Amino acid sequence: DVKVTQSSRYLVKRTGEKVFLECVQDMDHENMFWYRQDPGLGLRLIYFSYDVKMKEKGDIPEGYSVSREKKERFSLILESASTNQTSMYLCASLKTSPGFTQYFGPGTRLLVL
Amino acid sequence: KNQVEQSPQSLIILEGKNCTLQCNYTVSPFSNLRWYKQDTGRGPVSLTIMTFSENTKSNGRYTATLDADTKQSSLHITASQLSDSASYICVVSATDSWGKLQFGAGTQVVVTP
Repeated sequence: DVKVTQSSRYLVKRTGEKVFLECVQDMDHENMFWYRQDPGLGLRLIYFSYDVKMKEKGDIPEGYSVSREKKERFSLILESASTNQTSMYLCASLKTSPGFTQYFGPGTRLLVL
Repeated sequence: KNQVEQSPQSLIILEGKNCTLQCNYTVSPFSNLRWYKQDTGRGPVSLTIMTFSENTKSNGRYTATLDADTKQSSLHITASQLSDSASYICVVSATDSWGKLQFGAGTQVVVTP
């Protein structure tokens, strides 16, 4: 079974703090993703990475950066957290053969005060 | 405008009854459509995937249909159980941009005793 883990299930941070969200997958997948999920908006792609040190902006990258130093780990960084970044953050990795299947982590619920 | 629209936004059904969720999309060129189930506080889990040539796929009490001509899909839940209470998300991918999957906002299903 593919396992995608996220470092925290719940986080509370203050405005202006630097926040690190970590995601680890154990299936040697090349492609990993960070989404945020807000009520009524569904999942929106922040960044994705298709290989170590390779990244591409998604639909809403502003205010976020990412790091992929090792294949199994994909980190999302909020350089200076703001209240509008309060959300559920979901990490996923993608199996590409056979077929395309995304596997999601349990999510991190972030509250920025 | 979101390229994947789901309806209804939410629904409440009695345990044992059937229900059908709808997904309309405009994503093109179409590659595949997937239905995910997301339990509260957890990451989405894949239920079914269908490609252009498939018009129905079952997974236990879940049956998905696809009409690629009208760009519509449905997810039918048979003999609902309390454990079916969840959000159901329709995800469509295009052949030329697998990295940017298009997510619907989800349908929240509540099954009551």
